[in-house]
Amino acid sequence: GNSVTQMEGPVTLSEEAFLTINCTYTATGYPSLFWYVQYPGEGLQLLLKATKADDKGSNKGFEATYRKETTSFHLEKGSVQVSDSAVYFCALSGTRGGGADGLTFGKGTHLIIQP
Amino acid sequence: EPEVTQTPSHQVTQMGQEVILRCVPISNHLYFYWYRQILGQKVEFLVSFYNNEISEKSEIFDDQFSVERPDGSNFTLKIRSTKLEDSAMYFCASSNGRGPSTGELFFGEGSRLTVL
Repeated sequence: GNSVTQMEGPVTLSEEAFLTINCTYTATGYPSLFWYVQYPGEGLQLLLKATKADDKGSNKGFEATYRKETTSFHLEKGSVQVSDSAVYFCALSGTRGGGADGLTFGKGTHLIIQP
Repeated sequence: EPEVTQTPSHQVTQMGQEVILRCVPISNHLYFYWYRQILGQKVEFLVSFYNNEISEKSEIFDDQFSVERPDGSNFTLKIRSTKLEDSAMYFCASSNGRGPSTGELFFGEGSRLTVL
C-alpha cells in the first residue's frame, strides 16, 4: 500500500538558516504529493502540492519538487523565520481505485526556529 | 476567512461509552473527511463522505464508527463503544473538489479524544 516516510523531528534551526525536510514515498500508480503545515493551535493547512513528476510546488518561500526517480518530495526553504515554527506533514493521494479520496500522511516533522 | 470548526476540542470518556465528535465544514463544500492521529503516529485517513453517503473508508473505519450529516451543516463522527486505542486527535476536513488532487482539503483544529 501507499506510505510516506519523513524525517523525524524536532528539527531546530536558527533564523535565516537553510531548511530541508526529507520526504520519501511508496505508492502504486501516479499519486499527487503535498506538504501540509500545522501551526500551534490550528488545523492542518495546505502549504504546497505537485500533481505530476518534475512539478515544483512553491508557496511562502517553501518549495518541493516531485522526483519520481527517487520517489521523493523534499521540502526546502532558503531562509527560515521564527514564524515558520510548526509541524510539517508530507502526504500523497492515491490514484483512482487506490484511495483517491484519502490522503496518506507521514508522521510530521516539528520545526523549531530560534531567533 | 471560512474555516472548519470542530467540537469538542477535548473529550474524556470511559471505555465502552459512545462518543460523538462534531464538525461544521465550510458552507459551500461538498466533500467531507475524517482523519485521526494517535499520539506520535501518522495522520490516518478514516472516511470520506459525499452526497449523503460514504464514498471511501479505510480499514480503521470498522462497524464501531459511523458518520452522518444530520442537518446540512454539521458532519459528525460517532464511535459506538470506545476502546482505549481510540484515544487520538480526530481531524475533520472539507473540500469543494473530489479528492485532494482536485480540491484543497481544509482541516479543523482537531478534537482530542481520551479514552480511560
